[in-house]
Amino acid sequence: SAVISQKPSRDICQRGTSLTIQCQVDSQVTMMFWYRQQPGQSLTLIATANQGSEATYESGFVIDKFPISRPNLTFSTLTVSNMSPEDSSIYLCSVAGLAGAWEQFFGPGTRLTVL
Amino acid sequence: TQLLEQSPQFLSIQEGENLTVYCNSSSVFSSLQWYRQEPGEGPVLLVTVVTGGEVKKLKRLTFQFGDARKDSSLHITAAQPGDTGLYLCAGVGWSSGDKLTFGTGTRLAVRP
Repeated sequence: SAVISQKPSRDICQRGTSLTIQCQVDSQVTMMFWYRQQPGQSLTLIATANQGSEATYESGFVIDKFPISRPNLTFSTLTVSNMSPEDSSIYLCSVAGLAGAWEQFFGPGTRLTVL
Repeated sequence: TQLLEQSPQFLSIQEGENLTVYCNSSSVFSSLQWYRQEPGEGPVLLVTVVTGGEVKKLKRLTFQFGDARKDSSLHITAAQPGDTGLYLCAGVGWSSGDKLTFGTGTRLAVRP
């Protein structure tokens, strides 16, 4: 596995503002993903963060709302833009491709509350 | 869209009891993973099953992948309070690359 950290661990934000979440891995990985988990719910994939190119978004998620960066093989950011209370959720990054394996490992998550 | 339905949705049992969680789909998956998530943490990978009919054991946990690769089960023997958490199955489709489709989740509470 790998050590995956996310910053911030939690935040309370005002509607209309934006928050950037960072995900750092302690080793190079092939794939990085961003998920959303609403309270008491399962995980929904937002996008695949591609190194050196634009992220691949899932249906229902768009780049203007959730811009993603991945400048190298160990780091990615997700921005939640123009936030509304409906964006209150846990945001998780995951990685795959450690030592050639495709299993996914998750960061601890960022708990976002939008007032 | 590939959907994974888990049952039961909630389960509250006494320490020492046995339980089974089911993960069902109409889609075929190349592999299936089981995770456990505790409050304030990310999901932790428990096991990956890749072969139809495969059975894997992890101490008191037994995982099975259906012969047709559409379903899976997790059986816990003699549950302990430390087993409490959200259990999630997640499948990799044949044409979805490395993307996971997560199940609806089963929240387990084991009372001492």
